[in-house]
Amino acid sequence: QSALTQPPSASGSPGQSVTISCTGTSSDVGGYNYVSWYQQHPGKAPKLMIYEVTKRPSGVPDRFSGSKSGNTASLTVSGLQAEDEADYYCSSYAGINNYLFGTGTKVTVL
Amino acid sequence: QVYLVESGGGVVQPGGSLRLSCAASGFTFNSYGMHWVRQAPGKGLEWVAFIRYDASNKNYADSVRGRFTISRDNSKNTLYVQMNSLRDEDTAVYYCAKSSGADILSTIFDWGQGTLVTVSS
Repeated sequence: QSALTQPPSASGSPGQSVTISCTGTSSDVGGYNYVSWYQQHPGKAPKLMIYEVTKRPSGVPDRFSGSKSGNTASLTVSGLQAEDEADYYCSSYAGINNYLFGTGTKVTVL
Repeated sequence: QVYLVESGGGVVQPGGSLRLSCAASGFTFNSYGMHWVRQAPGKGLEWVAFIRYDASNKNYADSVRGRFTISRDNSKNTLYVQMNSLRDEDTAVYYCAKSSGADILSTIFDWGQGTLVTVSS
């Protein structure tokens, strides 16, 4: 199976919002509510930011929010801060005991 | 606090084998499913394998099925992956990750720091 599709890059000024899309199919993103988003700084392990489409783990700022419509999930970062500059990956359970990750989006804070 | 510490990475020739380990602490290891996820240099994340909390079910990505074997020792709180017939394209940082539940239909929640595997002659 192919990776989920994300835009290669996104950017915004401090205080602005940025939204990243994650497009799959009805067999993965559209078929299950196990969509997650991960933040990864250079040389570091990924960190869970959103799970089950809209839920935030303890300690993740409420500036991060998730949503889904059909086969596309989205991550919105509001009130951008310098420390939000990182790579972001979506993931989804893809049925038949399989998992998929997105292609990744580099977020730049201008 | 969940701690996952991978070990066993290194340089191996194409066609060779390597076994990675992941020592887990800070949670009840035998209650959670576990994953291996990898990331080739400069590339994105790729799911590799999953093992159910009791090892009764194991799942693999097509790219590694038949070459990699995931296992766990709940008495030692340790996850393993045996990697055989290694190829250049298996070069990556390998992450051990804890699931939010016992089965694969759950979230990849916590991650280790990773161990680098380099396949090269």
